[in-house]
Amino acid sequence: DVKVTQSSRYLVKRTGEKVFLECVQDMDHENMFWYRQDPGLGLRLIYFSYDVKMKEKGDIPEGYSVSREKKERFSLILESASTNQTSMYLCASSLTGTSLAKNIQYFGAGTRLSVL
Amino acid sequence: DAKTTQPPSMDCAEGRAANLPCNHSTISGNEYVYWYRQIHSQGPQYIIHGLKNNETNEMASLIITEDRKSSTLILPHATLRDTAVYYCIVSQGSARQLTFGSGTQLTVLP
Repeated sequence: DVKVTQSSRYLVKRTGEKVFLECVQDMDHENMFWYRQDPGLGLRLIYFSYDVKMKEKGDIPEGYSVSREKKERFSLILESASTNQTSMYLCASSLTGTSLAKNIQYFGAGTRLSVL
Repeated sequence: DAKTTQPPSMDCAEGRAANLPCNHSTISGNEYVYWYRQIHSQGPQYIIHGLKNNETNEMASLIITEDRKSSTLILPHATLRDTAVYYCIVSQGSARQLTFGSGTQLTVLP
């Protein structure tokens, strides 16, 4: 089974702190994603990466950055956390889509971040 | 990606079949239908996908209409553990991104 592991289930940080959310996948997937999920807004894509050291902005990248130094690890960084970044953060991975691969994403359990 | 429309909520009796509908009238020829679910406080879980033909796996069946403008996810014998938000997503198989809508909250009742 594909396993996507997020480093923390719950995290509490203070406004202005630098926050690192880590995600590791064990299936040699090329693509990795960071979403946030808020009540009434659904899942929104923050950033994704399709290869080591490659990244692309999603729908809501402001206030976030990412790092992918190794294929299995994708980090989300909040340079200076703010209260409006309190949310559930979800990491996912997938194989590169081909005509047969069908773009199936596998998700971690999520990190619930509270910024006080 | 084509837009999907799902009812916001549905109930189902435990042990009965749960039939979750999805409309995707603007789907294009190279777009797949994917279904995911999200149990409370967990990450979304892939269930099944299809292009034209009906599909079945150990979790569910997917029925796609001949014109591909709608589909139904069937959980044949719903259990309390199937209570979750179910998302219907339409996307190209080669695309990297998936766009999640608001989904259907399925509640399985004892």
